[in-house]
Amino acid sequence: KNEVEQSPQNLTAQEGEFITINCSYSVGISALHWLQQHPGGGIVSLFMLSSGKKKHGRLIATINIQEKHSSLHITASHPRDSAVYICAVPGGGSQGNLIFGKGTKLSVKP
Amino acid sequence: NAGVTQTPKFQVLKTGQSMTLQCAQDMNHEYMSWYRQDPGMGLRLIHYSVGAGITDQGEVPNGYNVSRSTTEDFPLRLLSAAPSQTSVYFCASLQRVNTEAFFGQGTRLTVV
Repeated sequence: KNEVEQSPQNLTAQEGEFITINCSYSVGISALHWLQQHPGGGIVSLFMLSSGKKKHGRLIATINIQEKHSSLHITASHPRDSAVYICAVPGGGSQGNLIFGKGTKLSVKP
Repeated sequence: NAGVTQTPKFQVLKTGQSMTLQCAQDMNHEYMSWYRQDPGMGLRLIHYSVGAGITDQGEVPNGYNVSRSTTEDFPLRLLSAAPSQTSVYFCASLQRVNTEAFFGQGTRLTVV
């Protein structure tokens, strides 16, 4: 079973700072998901990537398949970015389920 | 498209009661899953389905039943609620393996 580790667990930043959240996994995968969960809210997909880098607005996700590592970056962070960010990988085979990291709780102070 | 619709959003049950959490998607996705989210544990897989008529157990299936009679619906049944089932539950769907995942809004369940 794939083990997914995220760091840091908690992160406090000042508005405008550059944020990096890391994710590592133990078994090779073909794709990785970054998800966002606001307090008391649902879960939304930010990125799904299998190689290289993807960018959406101020969010950038990178993945290194060889090193089994991915990062999520937030440029010019804003208080509305405060949320839990979750990394997830496929559960294997053709099951269609995901294995999740425990999440990184980000708080951006004005 | 509504995406994934999950109901109810909140529920309080007494120990021993049964209930069904509803999950429906209108995207014709084959893969659907149920997860529970507990503090410090991350999301854990309860049951999953790879298509209508096909279900299987995940990591924490005890006390839960599922069925998948149609592609759209994947209800989760709590047979006899226990305080250990107090959690936030999420339903998710994917069109294929390694495609974007869509989640329901979550159900916050408290068993007293």
